[in-house]
Amino acid sequence: GESVGLHLPTLSVQEGDNSIINCAYSNSASDYFIWYKQESGKGPQFIIDIRSNMDKRQGQRVTVLLNKTVKHLSLQIAATQPGDSAVYFCAANTGNQFYFGTGTSLTVIP
Amino acid sequence: NAGVMQNPRHLVRRRGQEARLRCSPMKGHSHVYWYRQLPEEGLKFMVYLQKENIIDESGMPKERFSAEFPKEGPSILRIQQVVRGDSAAYFCASSPGMVAGQETQYFGPGTRLLVL
Repeated sequence: GESVGLHLPTLSVQEGDNSIINCAYSNSASDYFIWYKQESGKGPQFIIDIRSNMDKRQGQRVTVLLNKTVKHLSLQIAATQPGDSAVYFCAANTGNQFYFGTGTSLTVIP
Repeated sequence: NAGVMQNPRHLVRRRGQEARLRCSPMKGHSHVYWYRQLPEEGLKFMVYLQKENIIDESGMPKERFSAEFPKEGPSILRIQQVVRGDSAAYFCASSPGMVAGQETQYFGPGTRLLVL
């Protein structure tokens, strides 16, 4: 199986600062990872993904870093905005199944 | 291209009643997954289905819960004789496939079940 956990359950950042959300996974066989954003009362929304043959991938204002040696994944959000306030969680794909972390609640302070 | 659709968005049932949750995957997606989420917890896998087939139901309770994805129509998650502990948000996700490059799962808005 797989165990996925996030390092901090809550994170508060000032508007305009960069945010970093971290995630650890346990199974070295996990080969595909996704970051999701979940706003209150809504379903998880795909943000960015990365495969195990990469160590970095960039999107619009977001960057995902993968360190397979220590089984660590991070999501960086540049110039954090109030609309970024949500719960963020990572998912690791092992075989046929995705395993999800419990999430980090990001609060953006205006 | 419409996303994953789920209905109802909210469902209230009394103990002992049946709950039926529906999920229509994204267009072109033939793989459906059901998850349960309790407050302050992560998503817990329940079942993975393709059209007319259950591929993996290892996360689904053996009793009272069943799922189907018929050839025509939405996927249905059925909970019989609901109990208060079934109260949760149930999310459906879909993907084009499960091989590399097709396994990204996109989620619906969820059905929030409340059992009185």
